[in-house]
Amino acid sequence: NAGVTQTPKFRVLKTGQSMTLLCAQDMNHEYMYWYRQDPGMGLRLIHYSVGEGTTAKGEVPDGYNVSRLKKQNFLLGLESAAPSQTSVYFCASSYSGASGANVLTFGAGSRLTVL
Amino acid sequence: AQSVSQHNHHVILSEAASLELGCNYSYGGTVNLFWYVQYPGQHLQLLLKYFSGDPLVKGIKGFEAEFIKSKFSFNLRKPSVQWSDTAEYFCAVNARPNNRLAFGKGNQVVVIP
Repeated sequence: NAGVTQTPKFRVLKTGQSMTLLCAQDMNHEYMYWYRQDPGMGLRLIHYSVGEGTTAKGEVPDGYNVSRLKKQNFLLGLESAAPSQTSVYFCASSYSGASGANVLTFGAGSRLTVL
Repeated sequence: AQSVSQHNHHVILSEAASLELGCNYSYGGTVNLFWYVQYPGQHLQLLLKYFSGDPLVKGIKGFEAEFIKSKFSFNLRKPSVQWSDTAEYFCAVNARPNNRLAFGKGNQVVVIP
């Protein structure tokens, strides 16, 4: 039972480089989310998806793009990385429905450093 | 949009002491409330949740939380902490029928043996 799997776990980038973080879930969840976690800031929602082929902006979407081509995968892209995007990124997923939609299952996190 | 406030970001206490972490939110409608915990080096895990019914909810590892609607609060408590409770605790709220959770900034709790 893998749950939510994020790759890579660690990455160091130079300013201006691009990269993609991959999130995969095997629980048949409808909803998927990308958060970033910064010290003293808690978790902030970057983008989310309520189903295959749909995405929406969260609190801090600038500088990121996402795609949900398959139900089980949710990709987070940085087209031109900036030092301000140094953070730990968490993917999460949840069931749809009134009671289940908000019980999130989190991945282990991806630590990104932009030099 | 809803917002979540957690106070006393850093808490240090000794084993067997009691713990209470405050959580206040700003939304007047129906809400779902959560506490998540992140142990050192691990991902976030659900500690407990409130959707409806008894406002006093019990979670894993002896934690409980009380929803007080009039105070817009959902405080987390544990009567006697252990060293293994050292972690960061996040309160989260969503306003129905919105599916987006808003997280507080977290409480870093360190329990000294």
